[in-house]
This record gives sequence, C-alpha cells and structure tokens, in this order.
Amino acid sequence: GAVVSQHPSRVICKSGTSVKIECRSLDFQATTMFWYRQFPKQSLMLMATSNEGSKATYEQGVEKDKFLINHASLTLSTLTVTSAHPEDSSFYICSAREGQTGELFFGEGSRLTVL
Amino acid sequence: GDSVTQMEGPVTLSEEAFLTINCTYTATGYPSLFWYVQYPGEGLQLLLKATKADDKGSNKGFEATYRKETTSFHLEKGSVQVSDSAVYFCALSGQAGTALIFGKGTTLSVSS
Repeated sequence: GAVVSQHPSRVICKSGTSVKIECRSLDFQATTMFWYRQFPKQSLMLMATSNEGSKATYEQGVEKDKFLINHASLTLSTLTVTSAHPEDSSFYICSAREGQTGELFFGEGSRLTVL
Repeated sequence: GDSVTQMEGPVTLSEEAFLTINCTYTATGYPSLFWYVQYPGEGLQLLLKATKADDKGSNKGFEATYRKETTSFHLEKGSVQVSDSAVYFCALSGQAGTALIFGKGTTLSVSS
C-alpha cells in the first residue's frame, strides 16, 4: 500500500526553539495533507488542512503563526512549531490523500518533547 | 458538528475471546465510516470502512456494519489473537475528501 513517511519520529528541543516536521508521500502524489495532534489517551485533533501550492486552512483554536504549514510539492508537507513551549509537547501525525483514489494514508507520527 | 463516540478502554481479553468495541456517531448527511488500528510504535492503518447504510466492512477477521438507524459502527471479531493488541479508532468523513473525525481510541490488550 501507499506509504507516508514522517521525519523525525522523535524530537526533543529546548523551549523557545523551532522544530520542523516533514511529511512525505513516498509513492503517490498527495493533493491534500492533513495535520493532526494527539494528546495522551485522547483522540486525534485536526489542526490544519494543506493543499499543494496554497495556504493551509487551520481549525479553530489553532494558531497559524505558531504552527506553520507548508505544502510546497505534491509529495511533501512540513509543519514547523515556532518558539516551542512545553505545552506544545505532543504527538503530531500527518495524513495524505492519494489524488486518484482519494484514500487517506497516515504517517507514523512524530513525538515532540519541549523541555 | 460531526462527532464520534467510542467506548472507553482499555479492553482486556484472553486469546480467542469475542471482541466488540462500540462506536456511535453524530453527523449531518451520510458520512463514510472507518476503523483504524494503531499498533505499538506504528502509524495509523485503515482496518475497514463502510460508505453507506447497511454496508459491512471486513478485514483480518474484523467486521463492522454501518447502522444508520442506530448511528453505530461497532467493531467485532469472533476470536481475538495476541497480535490484535493495539489501539482502535473509529472515524467518520462527512464529505468526500474532507479530514477524518476520530473517536478517542480504545486500547485492546489480548493475553495468551
């Protein structure tokens, strides 16, 4: 099946620094990618929807200046957590929609720990 | 807005036991319904889906039937294995191409 790769899988950073997470569709073109955040023992909360070549659409309550999303190509979307703080520590998951079938594929997730 | 409610876990079963994980939804229109599974250390994988009322999705011995009258999509398996231990998420998609809305997930632990 189609593969979506996220990198890094784990990252630890100091408070105030920025962290970039990449989401790549390895064998298909993804016209749309979704970014989710998962808190312990809680559901995946949709953060934003990104379409290739256009600005991301953020869900209510998600700060677009804090969580910068770039979808520069049909195989790559990036999420940058700017000026990270401990409350940003979480598990971030991307999902990519395959252009022809519309099926969604998920990355393995990236665990961010902000000290 | 649309939402998904699934039973709280963890669910602990012995091997070969019968499994049911309840899932109900609230949505306008006719959503597509999904079950995803997350094995330890791995990403989400689609387990099965149903796109219209009375459809039954099935895969790897798991089944779920789209019940519009009860707005439910309960996951069942007749005989679980240790390898089924994972977190199971019920999800819906309100419109084609939109993001999925997930339930909170149910952790299943199967012991031999």
